Amino acid sequence: AQSVTQLDSQVPVFEEAPVELRCNYSSSVSVYLFWYVQYPNQGLQLLLKYLSGSTLVESINGFEAEFNKSQTSFHLRKPSVHISDTAEYFCAVAGGSYIPTFGRGTSLIVHP
Amino acid sequence: EAGVTQFPSHSVIEKGQTVTLRCDPISGHDNLYWYRRVMGKEIKFLLHFVKESKQDESGMPNNRFLAERTGGTYSTLKVQPAELEDSGVYFCASSQGSLPSYEQYFGPGTRLTVT
Repeated sequence: AQSVTQLDSQVPVFEEAPVELRCNYSSSVSVYLFWYVQYPNQGLQLLLKYLSGSTLVESINGFEAEFNKSQTSFHLRKPSVHISDTAEYFCAVAGGSYIPTFGRGTSLIVHP
Repeated sequence: EAGVTQFPSHSVIEKGQTVTLRCDPISGHDNLYWYRRVMGKEIKFLLHFVKESKQDESGMPNNRFLAERTGGTYSTLKVQPAELEDSGVYFCASSQGSLPSYEQYFGPGTRLTVT
């Protein structure tokens, strides 16, 4: 069995500030890790994923996440956020069955 | 290319009634998944189709839920009879191949409210 904990339900930040959305997981098997983003009235979109190899993974819009096996974490970071990054972000973990287990989501609210 | 579509976008029904949700995956995607998010909680897996076969239905909450995918194209999820705790957002997703190598593409969801 696996589980995901997203420690913050809401993260308010000002535009151009850095942000970190926290994600911790538990799993008894090797894991694959994902971050999804959901913009208002849209479906979830894959932001980035860790399957193997480099523990630091990046998205095309400036987000990055680092797989830390010892701390069982996969925190999402961006050095400078934009208003358009306002959305809900979901961390997910998948193990042997490959079906992802999602966290409760973190609402990122970027203020001008 | 059209994405995953879901119908209706919203549904409000009374306890005891029946509701059918529909999902149209991306054309050519053999894998189709249903998920549910109860307000403020996690998105939970319900079931997984490969073409018209149920590959994994371990997440279906009880026998009031029936999912079908006749012909391996669109899928329906019927709730009969609906209970208050069935309220939530039902997401459908599809993928061209097996996870995790292939990406899941999600629909916008159907918001179901049972009163």
